[in-house]
Amino acid sequence: QKEVEQDPGPLSVPEGAIVSLNCTYSNSAFQYFMWYRQYSRKGPELLMYTYSSGNKEDGRFTAQVDKSSKYISLFIRDSQPSDSATYLCAMRVVRGSTLGRLYFGRGTQLTVWP
Amino acid sequence: DSGVTQTPKHLITATGQRVTLRCSPRSGDLSVYWYQQSLDQGLQFLIQYYNGEERAKGNILERFSAQQFPDLHSELNLSSLELGDSALYFCASSVGGTQINEQFFGPGTRLTVL
Repeated sequence: QKEVEQDPGPLSVPEGAIVSLNCTYSNSAFQYFMWYRQYSRKGPELLMYTYSSGNKEDGRFTAQVDKSSKYISLFIRDSQPSDSATYLCAMRVVRGSTLGRLYFGRGTQLTVWP
Repeated sequence: DSGVTQTPKHLITATGQRVTLRCSPRSGDLSVYWYQQSLDQGLQFLIQYYNGEERAKGNILERFSAQQFPDLHSELNLSSLELGDSALYFCASSVGGTQINEQFFGPGTRLTVL
């Protein structure tokens, strides 16, 4: 079993829809949670990060972390065709020699159609 | 553009061969990370170097090796290549190696082993 699980989709929604992306994890040492966006033939780029539990909002994007359930989510409101990409969740520990290591989900491929 | 450069963009080679992938980090970044992205495994951490020294090791095969040079560029060497080594290889860089810093990803090198 992978330490981070993510449904690969694909997910296809109409423009303006609310999108919900989710990951679960098994390692309770993870305390720093990230969402990366990867466009086709490009490297991942950091979209949002959250430290420990709670919510964080940035424009149309909201990240949620529920450490008790080992579950994180990314919500995209008013989705746009330009949001079409693969979304990867990632996690890390916050101390120790391996804190540089990111653990990724497999990514969810999202298509927003006009 | 993240500021991380990787060469070559594409590499096609045969089983049993050896290849070298090159990465130049963003100006000022001391840490370099290597990741492998395949369809079945997703994005997996291979190794981290910080200011020339190996800092963390992940799921890196013994046939693979890496190093970081005094000018901070890094090379990933893959030898005795197998069909299953075909993947996208990403390099990322960050300012530090002992704090939680954002990792900036390069555009990747697509390796095809025939």
